[in-house]
Amino acid sequence: GAVVSQHPSRVICKSGTSVKIECRSLDFQATTMFWYRQFPKQSLMLMATSNEGSKATYEQGVEKDKFLINHASLTLSTLTVTSAHPEDSSFYICSARERYTEAFFGQGTRLTVV
Amino acid sequence: DAKTTQPPSMDCAEGRAANLPCNHSTISGNEYVYWYRQIHSQGPQYIIHGLKNNETNEMASLIITEDRKSSTLILPHATLRDTAVYYCIVSTNTNAGKSTFGDGTTLTVKP
Repeated sequence: GAVVSQHPSRVICKSGTSVKIECRSLDFQATTMFWYRQFPKQSLMLMATSNEGSKATYEQGVEKDKFLINHASLTLSTLTVTSAHPEDSSFYICSARERYTEAFFGQGTRLTVV
Repeated sequence: DAKTTQPPSMDCAEGRAANLPCNHSTISGNEYVYWYRQIHSQGPQYIIHGLKNNETNEMASLIITEDRKSSTLILPHATLRDTAVYYCIVSTNTNAGKSTFGDGTTLTVKP
């Protein structure tokens, strides 16, 4: 299958700071990328959908000013958690796909806000 | 997207076939069945997908009933590394990836 790389795999940041997570499609052009969040012992929750060159579409209840998503190229999307707080600690996962194909997931980023 | 129902957990003996069922009785004609699995603390891994014909790849086989209301993922020779949470998702190909993940089935492969 296609490869999606997410970086960093783990990050610890201080409360009030911002953290950027990168998601790259390594061997295909990702027309659409998705960002998910997963809390311990829970399933994945879709946060937002982004199409290359367009503004992201956020799911209900997800603060767009807190979770900034940029999908400036066909191989890169970034998620910035602004003014992070301990309750933002979670496992963040991206996925990407070409048009009309299945989606492939990154390995996830474990964010811990202290 | 149609809702899916999966058993919360299953056990399988190492080397035996693991058959994971999924019910999707409200599936629409243009919706595909996708299977992913998630090993602890990793991102989900794509396994297989299909529309109405049975599908097979190097990882698994997907059997879809004729009425498309249910499907079964088959891991022909389960290994300990197949222990994971398996998710069955129904979606159109235009919405693939924009998925509602349910609780999935936790498959435990035992020696």
